[in-house]
Amino acid sequence: DTEVTQTPKHLVMGMTNKKSLKCEQHMGHRAMYWYKQKAKKPPELMFVYSYEKLSINESVPSRFSPECPNSSLLNLHLHALQPEDSALYLCASSQDLGGQGADQGYTFGSGTRLTVV
Amino acid sequence: LAKTTQPISMDSYEGQEVNITCSHNNIATNDYITWYQQFPSQGPRFIIQGYKTKVTNEVASLFIPADRKSSTLSLPRVSLSDTAVYYCLVGPRWAGNMLTFGGGTRLMVKP
Repeated sequence: DTEVTQTPKHLVMGMTNKKSLKCEQHMGHRAMYWYKQKAKKPPELMFVYSYEKLSINESVPSRFSPECPNSSLLNLHLHALQPEDSALYLCASSQDLGGQGADQGYTFGSGTRLTVV
Repeated sequence: LAKTTQPISMDSYEGQEVNITCSHNNIATNDYITWYQQFPSQGPRFIIQGYKTKVTNEVASLFIPADRKSSTLSLPRVSLSDTAVYYCLVGPRWAGNMLTFGGGTRLMVKP
């Protein structure tokens, strides 16, 4: 299995809702990432997990809460979002931190298209 | 981390070879160069990675001059399905801080 699976593919939520995005990989990768991508912009790093521990939080607002239950799963809990948080949320994994070197870099999922109304 | 500069957009026609150049003047000794392809509403996909000279795989070639201050992604005989955004990323393996995507190059392949 060489894929990163993200669910749901589309999500519409109100500003008072609580929802979660899920990401799963079975490649044995030890680093997992959340990115946010607005239309016609490059992906922006949000969080990095390495060996199931939060390694980097790129000053993301607390209404986004990541969780890594095990080495194959990564969740992003959403609460009290704003309309400007509408974006494509991408999950990625890599063999280790950095995603460079002799392996194949990052493997990305297809993303969750989030709309906040 | 080395900052990268790419053309914002490029147009090409089916069957042509496309070369996309990325500038990374302050590349460090331990940095690798990696290119990703992204289609609309999909995650980026790894294309090719190199450190120096030339790397070729079934999809593309990557040319890196001796000074490593730039690199060129070469796509042979493009088709309509190669229309996508191409990102050049530069960084060390054990960055600890993750690779930052630059603006990318929006390639449009026309019939």
